[in-house]
Amino acid sequence: KQEVTQIPAALSVPEGENLVLNCSFTDSAIYNLQWFRQDPGKGLTSLLLIQSSQREQTSGRLNASLDKSSGRSTLYIAASQPGDSATYLCAVRVGAGSYQLTFGKGTKLSVIP
Amino acid sequence: GAVVSQHPSRVICKSGTSVKIECRSLDFQATTMFWYRQFPKQSLMLMATSNEGSKATYEQGVEKDKFLINHASLTLSTLTVTSAHPEDSSFYICSARLQGNYGYTFGSGTRLTVV
Repeated sequence: KQEVTQIPAALSVPEGENLVLNCSFTDSAIYNLQWFRQDPGKGLTSLLLIQSSQREQTSGRLNASLDKSSGRSTLYIAASQPGDSATYLCAVRVGAGSYQLTFGKGTKLSVIP
Repeated sequence: GAVVSQHPSRVICKSGTSVKIECRSLDFQATTMFWYRQFPKQSLMLMATSNEGSKATYEQGVEKDKFLINHASLTLSTLTVTSAHPEDSSFYICSARLQGNYGYTFGSGTRLTVV
C-alpha cells in the first residue's frame, strides 16, 4: 500500500527566504506526482504536476523535483512571501490504470512579514 | 482552466437529516469524479470514485448506504449524507480527473457540521 509522508509538518520562515518542502513515498512505481496548495477551509489548488518520466517542473517561484527511484520529491519556493502561507500537499497517482491519488498530510507553511 | 464548482461551502444540519453536496464541472466534461473527506490536520481520504452513468466505487470502510453518490451527467456529481450524525461532521471535497495527463482539479470544499 502506497504511503506518502511530508516533512516537516509545519514550517515558519521570514519573508524573502528560500525554502524546501519534502515529500516521500513508499512505492516508487508511481504514474505522476502533484503538489497542491490548500488555504484554510478551502479546496485544493494545483501547483505543479510531474510525470514519472520527468525530473522537475517549474512555475514562477516554484520548482518541484522528482526522484522516483528513491521515492522523493521536493518543492522549492524561492523568495517566499506572506501570501505563500498555506498548507502544501503532495499526492501520488499510483499507476496508469488507477486514477486514485494518495495524499500526504501536508506541510503548513507560515511566512512571517 | 478547468473549474469544479462545489456547493454549499458550509452547511449545518440536525442529526438524522440528510444533506446533499453538489459538484459541477463548469467548462469540461468530468467522466470520473472523486469524493474525499478531510479531518482537521489530517490528509484527504478518498471515500469513493464515481463514473458517469455507473455505480460509484466505495473505499473500504465507507458506508455506501450512508454516503450516496450520484453521477448522472458528465458535469454533475452529488454526495448525499443520509441520516447524518455528529461524527459525520467533516470537510468534504470533490475532484475531477482532467483528460490526458493534466492531473486533477478540486472543488472548494464543503464544511459539514451536524448538531
